[in-house]
Amino acid sequence: DVKVTQSSRYLVKRTGEKVFLECVQDMDHENMFWYRQDPGLGLRLIYFSYDVKMKEKGDIPEGYSVSREKKERFSLILESASTNQTSMYLCASISVYTEAFFGQGTRLTVV
Amino acid sequence: QKEVEQDPGPLSVPEGAIVSLNCTYSNSAFQYFMWYRQYSRKGPELLMYTYSSGNKEDGRFTAQVDKSSKYISLFIRDSQPSDSATYLCAMPDRGSTLGRLYFGRGTQLTVWP
Repeated sequence: DVKVTQSSRYLVKRTGEKVFLECVQDMDHENMFWYRQDPGLGLRLIYFSYDVKMKEKGDIPEGYSVSREKKERFSLILESASTNQTSMYLCASISVYTEAFFGQGTRLTVV
Repeated sequence: QKEVEQDPGPLSVPEGAIVSLNCTYSNSAFQYFMWYRQYSRKGPELLMYTYSSGNKEDGRFTAQVDKSSKYISLFIRDSQPSDSATYLCAMPDRGSTLGRLYFGRGTQLTVWP
């Protein structure tokens, strides 16, 4: 059974903290994506990666960075968390047929 | 203009109703069309995947593509309370090696018994 695993289901962080969200896939996919999902706004692409150490900005990269040191792991970093980054964060791994496999999501609250 | 437009609803129907969910898109290069289903507090999962115009049926679900109108639909027959979820349409940019997917905003569906 293919799997994308996100390190946390729920996180509460303070404003200004540096936050790491981890995502691991076991399908040997090249492409991995980070989205955030907010009511009424749908899925918005933050960053994506098409190879180890390669990354591209999505539509809303401000305030975020990413790291892909190994093929199976793609991390999203909030450099200095702010309340407007409270959201559901979804990691996805994309097959060669462009089917997306999502993790279960991390609900981040910044207080 | 967004690449993919989808009415977010919410949509509320009684059990047994036929449900129609729709998306429009602007990029005529899109050739593959997907529907994802997302239950509350879960990640989306692929429901149906179609290529080119026409219909594709899978049990109670039918995906329809009209490329001339840039319009896709998902029909659910004999809807069940277990179909209550958010449905997202998605289209991959196959012209790009990066494999980016463009999602609609999702339609929230509730089927009440």
